[in-house]
Amino acid sequence: AQSVTQPDIHITVSEGASLELRCNYSYGATPYLFWYVQSPGQGLQLLLKYFSGDTLVQGIKGFEAEFKRSQSSFNLRKPSVHWSDAAEYFCAVGLTGGGNKLTFGTGTQLKVEL
Amino acid sequence: EPEVTQTPSHQVTQMGQEVILRCVPISNHLYFYWYRQILGQKVEFLVSFYNNEISEKSEIFDDQFSVERPDGSNFTLKIRSTKLEDSAMYFCASSAQSSYNSPLHFGNGTRLTVT
Repeated sequence: AQSVTQPDIHITVSEGASLELRCNYSYGATPYLFWYVQSPGQGLQLLLKYFSGDTLVQGIKGFEAEFKRSQSSFNLRKPSVHWSDAAEYFCAVGLTGGGNKLTFGTGTQLKVEL
Repeated sequence: EPEVTQTPSHQVTQMGQEVILRCVPISNHLYFYWYRQILGQKVEFLVSFYNNEISEKSEIFDDQFSVERPDGSNFTLKIRSTKLEDSAMYFCASSAQSSYNSPLHFGNGTRLTVT
């Protein structure tokens, strides 16, 4: 069965610093890859997704992610973090024919220090 | 922007009681889902629903669970006899299509606490 690993449970960065959140997946083929963000008291919001093509994808709020097949990774990045980026970030995968059924990682809680 | 709305935001119930969690999906969406997140654990798929039928369900979604679209707007998750381990955040989601090109829109969740 497919799985998603987010090795960092908590990350703290200073405002203005760069950010990279790690995500690794285990699946025989290239899955559909997603990053979601959950702000306190809010639902999950889609940041970006990768299906095929250019391995660097741009998302909302200045985020980007890079798919690396050789490393089975889909890390999320942002060059300069804002205090409002403090939230929980979830990586998720979907399988071909999966009908929008997603498998999520355990999430990374981002704290931003002013 | 249209939103998925869930009520209540927090529900406390006693073990063995029935609960109904309510969701209003985005109006032109046809596919509906429930996910849950036990505190500190992953967000897990429970069930997908289309055309008044369950499309797929996970092994978590046992006979204690049921879903229904009782009218043209609501989508409900019923837990017949709650257990302590049902305590979790339950998220409703909807999408226009069942493909990944049609992203899931999630509600803010209902936190269910079973005592």
